[in-house]
Amino acid sequence: AQSVTQPDIHITVSEGASLELRCNYSYGATPYLFWYVQSPGQGLQLLLKYFSGDTLVQGIKGFEAEFKRSQSSFNLRKPSVHWSDAAEYFCAVGGRGADGLTFGKGTHLIIQP
Amino acid sequence: GAVVSQHPSRVICKSGTSVKIECRSLDFQATTMFWYRQFPKQSLMLMATSNEGSKATYEQGVEKDKFLINHASLTLSTLTVTSAHPEDSSFYICSAAGLQDEQYFGPGTRLTVT
Repeated sequence: AQSVTQPDIHITVSEGASLELRCNYSYGATPYLFWYVQSPGQGLQLLLKYFSGDTLVQGIKGFEAEFKRSQSSFNLRKPSVHWSDAAEYFCAVGGRGADGLTFGKGTHLIIQP
Repeated sequence: GAVVSQHPSRVICKSGTSVKIECRSLDFQATTMFWYRQFPKQSLMLMATSNEGSKATYEQGVEKDKFLINHASLTLSTLTVTSAHPEDSSFYICSAAGLQDEQYFGPGTRLTVT
């Protein structure tokens, strides 16, 4: 069965500091991997996705993620966070588009001034 | 492009009544749509996969007679919560599968059952 683990429930980062959110997955085939961000009471916004090819993917808002097959990881990074990055971040795994996604429990990002 | 809408955004209903939530892909056709449920401060859980013109596929533990899904066209899927109870109160989010194996999510519907 597929699963996603986000080991950090909460992360607090100072504004301007770098950020890394961890994501480990379990999937029986070649995974499609996603990072989404959710602001309070809102839907999901796709930050970036990995289907194949270059294992370092660039997304919106200055985010990037690196797919490491040997570690079953897809960690999200940003070199310098902004106060507006405070939100809930979800990592998700799935197959092709006709498959539903399995989400991690999310990481709540808090930005300190 | 690739916008998905949901209606209503919020709904309050009384226990025992039914509520219908619509999910529309506005600028693309979606053969497959998905319904997720999110409890407060928790992750999204896939409830069912909806394919146009056929019966929905429900995830284990989801009551198909309680959560009726209809995908009558390539741009519209509906979720009806029948005989709603307070424990059905949740945030329901739909998504639609686009051409590039990506899911586009709607803004969600907050259901409160009193």
